[in-house]
Amino acid sequence: EDKVVQSPLSLVVHEGDTVTLNCSYEVTNFRSLLWYKQEKKAPTFLFMLTSSGIEKKSGRLSSILDKKELFSILNITATQTGDSAIYLCAVRPNTGNQFYFGTGTSLTVIP
Amino acid sequence: DGGITQSPKYLFRKEGQNVTLSCEQNLNHDAMYWYRQDPGQGLRLIYYSQIVNDFQKGDIAEGYSVSREKKESFPLTVTSAQKNPTAFYLCASKIPGGDTEAFFGQGTRLTVV
Repeated sequence: EDKVVQSPLSLVVHEGDTVTLNCSYEVTNFRSLLWYKQEKKAPTFLFMLTSSGIEKKSGRLSSILDKKELFSILNITATQTGDSAIYLCAVRPNTGNQFYFGTGTSLTVIP
Repeated sequence: DGGITQSPKYLFRKEGQNVTLSCEQNLNHDAMYWYRQDPGQGLRLIYYSQIVNDFQKGDIAEGYSVSREKKESFPLTVTSAQKNPTAFYLCASKIPGGDTEAFFGQGTRLTVV
């Protein structure tokens, strides 16, 4: 059965801390892995990863994929209160147009 | 502006009633999805459609129904057969095929009273 597991489920940090969010997957015929940020309602797209070892970066956020070990990490440096959100990981297999989502990691950044 | 519009934002339903959630997109996307989000459970796929007049069940389709008569519209009906319908429902769309992301609507929060 295809599944995506995120850890930790929740995290509380202070502003300025660096956090690492984890996403491991077991999906037949992997195609791509996506990260989303959900602040209140609609998840917004952060990154799509298809190749191992190539870091995607946007400001203080970065992500990398390891297709051999079947996981990805999302790093956030110098966290701000605006980073407080649920971070969702999704994996798309080669067949069909489905996305398999993890449970999400709830990040709270306190001043 | 292009995007996905879900309505209503909040919906209350009495037990035993069917209710329909609306999802409209003007992104010209062929593929559309319905997800359910419960606390601590992430997003679970209810139904998805890759083209007009075609749709497939997701992991938790029981108690739900959909239609796809137009490219831009993918309404979800929560029937009385759904035993625990109180949840946050998200609609998404994407270009079929290719390495592209899915775009989400703002969601509908359904509460059974």
